[in-house]
Amino acid sequence: NAGVTQTPKFQVLKTGQSMTLQCAQDMNHNSMYWYRQDPGMGLRLIYYSASEGTTDKGEVPNGYNVSRLNKREFSLRLESAAPSQTSVYFCASRGPPGSYNEQFFGPGTRLTVL
Amino acid sequence: KQEVTQIPAALSVPEGENLVLNCSFTDSAIYNLQWFRQDPGKGLTSLLLIQSSQREQTSGRLNASLDKSSGRSTLYIAASQPGDSATYLCAVAHTGANSKLTFGKGITLSVRP
Repeated sequence: NAGVTQTPKFQVLKTGQSMTLQCAQDMNHNSMYWYRQDPGMGLRLIYYSASEGTTDKGEVPNGYNVSRLNKREFSLRLESAAPSQTSVYFCASRGPPGSYNEQFFGPGTRLTVL
Repeated sequence: KQEVTQIPAALSVPEGENLVLNCSFTDSAIYNLQWFRQDPGKGLTSLLLIQSSQREQTSGRLNASLDKSSGRSTLYIAASQPGDSATYLCAVAHTGANSKLTFGKGITLSVRP
C-alpha cells in the first residue's frame, strides 16, 4: 500500500510556464484534496474533489485548475506559473462519509517559480 | 469562517519532560479534529483523530483531548524524546460530507537531549 503518491518531488519553473502536478492514491478513497503550504500562512485548500467526476474550489483557487481523472488520480495544473505560486503542494485523500474520515497526505511537491 | 490557532509558534523543552500543545478553534460545529506531525522538508503524518462525539484519543505516549464547547484541543506528549522534535499541526474538519480541513499554523517543538 503506497498510500498517497505525488510527482514530481521538486520542480523549478520560469514565470509563464505551465505544468501539472500529479497525485494518486491506492486506498479506494472517494475524496481528494490539494493544499499549498507557505511560511507564516499554514496549509490552505486550493481545490477538492468529493467524488469521481466532481471538483470544487477551496480557499485559494485562483491560477489553478484540477482534474479528477478517475477515483485514484487528482491532478493540479498551473496554466501560467507566477512567482506567487512558489510553494509546497500537498495532495490528500479521505475515506467515504461515515468512515473514520482521517485525511492522509502525500510527501509534497516543492515548486519554485522564477 | 473557521479559524484555528496554535500558540506558541515554537517550544523548546528538555528531554523527558511531559508537555502539552494547545489548539483553539472559533466554530464549534466541527466534524472531527486531527493532529499531524511534520518533519522538516517532509509531508504530514496523521497522529490522532478525535471525532466530534469523543473527548480523547490515545496512541502510545500521545493523548489528544477535545472540548468542543470551548473550542479547544490539547495534544499531550509524555516523556518527550529528541525524536519528537517536529512541527505539530492541528486541523478541524467542517461538518458535512466534504469535511474540508482548516489548519492551524503549527507548533515547532524542539526536545533538547
